[in-house]
This record gives sequence, structure tokens and C-alpha cells, in this order.
Amino acid sequence: NFMLTQPHSVSGSPGKTVTISCTRSSGSIASNYVQWYQQRPGSAPTTVIYEYNQRPSGVPDRFSGSIDSSSNSASLTISGLKTEDEADYYCQSSDSSNLNVVFGGGTKLTVL
Amino acid sequence: QITLKESGPTLVKPTQTLTLTCSFSGFSLSTSGVGVGWIRQPPGKALEWLAFIYWDDDKRYSPSLKSRLTIAKDTSKNQVVLTMTNMDPVDTATYYCARTIFGVLSSWFDPWGQGTLVTVSS
Repeated sequence: NFMLTQPHSVSGSPGKTVTISCTRSSGSIASNYVQWYQQRPGSAPTTVIYEYNQRPSGVPDRFSGSIDSSSNSASLTISGLKTEDEADYYCQSSDSSNLNVVFGGGTKLTVL
Repeated sequence: QITLKESGPTLVKPTQTLTLTCSFSGFSLSTSGVGVGWIRQPPGKALEWLAFIYWDDDKRYSPSLKSRLTIAKDTSKNQVVLTMTNMDPVDTATYYCARTIFGVLSSWFDPWGQGTLVTVSS
């Protein structure tokens, strides 16, 4: 299996924009969709982005996803930061060769 | 509305077998493209995928835990059961089940159950 590497932590001020990266160690980031989950303290994860850039209903359009083939990475961008966005964020994808699921190590977002 | 809820023991002893049940509503495990997965999270650590079961009863397991895991479904009861043998203190974690969507290029989880904390200790 490949690995998904995320920064341990990021921070931003209310109203600003932050981007969280998720770099795939081997194989193309474009080979398999990437999802992003938000996990607030003490709660179960919820989906904020699926299939690279799709938002489930109820997720504000301040959340967006993208991929960059040159860096073999996916990104989650949160604009207009709110204190309620403070959470851990995990990227997730699948391995085409064996259908196994891979999670990134998670990124703690602090809204200062 | 889709809901899932995990149930099982909160404390198990080392070497024992853990059996967890995921009871769900709002979807059917006989629907093509749908399944149920299990994911765990040790305290303060990252998410780790364990296993999932497909609508057609196909199964996939995490390579690192494959020898210890068994997943099964009871479609009529809307339940999925995960068993993990030879439990160790390092298996202490919150265990989540989640509806799994099997897409062309990836599988993903939505929604998740609330999770159940399992502690392994003598």
C-alpha cells in the first residue's frame, strides 16, 4: 500500500484561508479518489469532501478539494475560517491493486 | 436518515476475542455499491481502517490485521459483526462502523457511527 502524508498541524485566523495537503507516496494521486473527513473533539468523523472535490449536502462551500498531479497531492482548502472549523482533518483514499483503504495521519487545525 | 451504532464490550482481557456489532438503519446491505466498514482510532492517534464487507458478501481486511479479523453480515437484521482475536493492550481504541460507498476509483465512509471505546487490560 501507498501512504498518505499530511502536515501534523496548521493554523489560521478567523476569516482567513487555510490549505491542508495530503501527499501520496507512490502511484498517481489521480488514480483513486481522495476524501476528507472532519473530526471535532469527542465526535465521530464526518465527510466534508468526497471524490476529490464533491461536497456532501450540508457542508458549506467554504470547504473545497483539489488535486495537484505535479506534487502528487490532494488539498483541502477552508476559506472564511470559523472557530467551529477547529478540528482534526483526515484524508483517505483506496489502493486499486487490492481495494484496501488508506488514511492519512491527520492534521490538527487551530483557529486562532 | 441513515444511522449506525456500535455495540460490544467496553473492556476485554489480553488474548481474548473481541466481538463488535454494528446495527444500522436507513439503508440496505443488499443494495449494489454499498457496504459497511470498520475503522478504529487509538486514543490521541489517527484513524486506521480495519475491514469492510460488500453488498455481495465480498470482504476486504487490513493487511496488518487480516489474520485476526473476521467480518460478517446479517442482511435481514441490518447488522454487521466484526471479530478480532488475540486482543492486546495496543488494540485499545475507539471502534467505528460506517456505511461504505464503493465507487469506481475509491471507497469511502459516510456516515459513521458514534464509536465505542474498547479497552484491553487485565
